[in-house]
Amino acid sequence: QKEVEQDPGPLSVPEGAIVSLNCTYSNSAFQYFMWYRQYSRKGPELLMYTYSSGNKEDGRFTAQVDKSSKYISLFIRDSQPSDSATYLCAARGVFGQGTRLTINP
Amino acid sequence: DAGITQSPRHKVTETGTPVTLRCHQTENHRYMYWYRQDPGHGLRLIHYSYGVKDTDKGEVSDGYSVSRSKTEDFLLTLESATSSQTSVYFCAIGTSLEVYEQYFGPGTRLTVT
Repeated sequence: QKEVEQDPGPLSVPEGAIVSLNCTYSNSAFQYFMWYRQYSRKGPELLMYTYSSGNKEDGRFTAQVDKSSKYISLFIRDSQPSDSATYLCAARGVFGQGTRLTINP
Repeated sequence: DAGITQSPRHKVTETGTPVTLRCHQTENHRYMYWYRQDPGHGLRLIHYSYGVKDTDKGEVSDGYSVSRSKTEDFLLTLESATSSQTSVYFCAIGTSLEVYEQYFGPGTRLTVT
């Protein structure tokens, strides 16, 4: 079992929808949880990170961690076509496989 | 890309030849990493460095070596390239092994024929 698991999708939603992206992890020692966005043929870009349990909001993006269930989520509100990318979760340098997201105009 | 460059950006080489990829940063970050990204596997850590001349192995280090003689440069060498090393290679930098936030370069697309 990989330490960080992520459904690769693909996920396709209409513009304006709320998007929910999820990961699970197995290592209880993980404390910081990252979300990266990767456009096609580009390097991953750090979006935001959270510490331990709780929520963190940054504009249209909200990251959430539930340590009791070892579950990590990223919510995107009012999704835009420019949000179309692959989203990767990570902890301590261990990455999920990435979920490919397409926002349809 | 947060002051990180990678060279070359694209390379095609033959099986059995040595290949060196270079990562250069202008951020003076202590930690540097090499990852490979493959369909179905995501990003996997090859090697990382926690200072000049200080390096350690990652998840998929077999067939790769690294060197860091200056803070700003981290080299990845494939001693004898194989077709299984065809991949996209990303360099990343970071400031903390606790938080582990990473900033990635643009990548090198390597094809071994």
